[in-house]
Amino acid sequence: QVQVVESGGGVVQPGRSLRLSCAASGFTFSSYVMHWVRQAPGKGLEWVAVISPGGSSQFYAGSVKGRFTISRDNSKNTVDLQMNSLRGEDTAVYYCARESSGEGAFDIWGQGTMVTVSS
Amino acid sequence: QAGLTQPPSVSKGLRQTATLTCTGNSNNVGNQGAAWLQQHQGHPPKLLSYRNDNRPSGISERFSASRSGNTASLTITELQPEDEADYYCSAWDSSLSAWVFGGGTKLTVL
Repeated sequence: QVQVVESGGGVVQPGRSLRLSCAASGFTFSSYVMHWVRQAPGKGLEWVAVISPGGSSQFYAGSVKGRFTISRDNSKNTVDLQMNSLRGEDTAVYYCARESSGEGAFDIWGQGTMVTVSS
Repeated sequence: QAGLTQPPSVSKGLRQTATLTCTGNSNNVGNQGAAWLQQHQGHPPKLLSYRNDNRPSGISERFSASRSGNTASLTITELQPEDEADYYCSAWDSSLSAWVFGGGTKLTVL
């Protein structure tokens, strides 16, 4: 069964760090581009970051550039999101999503993990 | 970061046809098209259409996507109660080197 499962969410104080992880299974993980997408409570989807299949290339949304780092371990089929200097506006459900090969779409989504930034 | 423009809400009657729009520019929708996602309350998004307007396996033929210039459209025919959801478009923006989403359209089936 093709799936991705996020973990690592929780409540964190402003300015602190948190690391999210996404475990993939059921497909050849090392062949796919992977993303993190977030959704603040009651709001729409916001793309956060993307990493290439081999991990050599990453891009970030302007709102997180310099604070968040996406990485992957193809030997463990995981993609992580290191979030530093967290702010209240980072409060959201964070989804891990697979990008379909050559089709320009997010075809597999996890259930999401909630991150709450609050003092 | 600039996103794609979608109407906040659309309401249609049961078994009617709804057409949702997504407007971008030549750097995103006009360049490579847009994909469409459906999200029911409390659930993760689900892919309805690839950016080339093809449907993934298992998606009903009632959902069809198209594009004209910088505007992408999702047409849903024979509306059913379960079609009531939020719909999002997404595209790669070559000028921003970033993915962008529309703000989402809440579809209500009356």
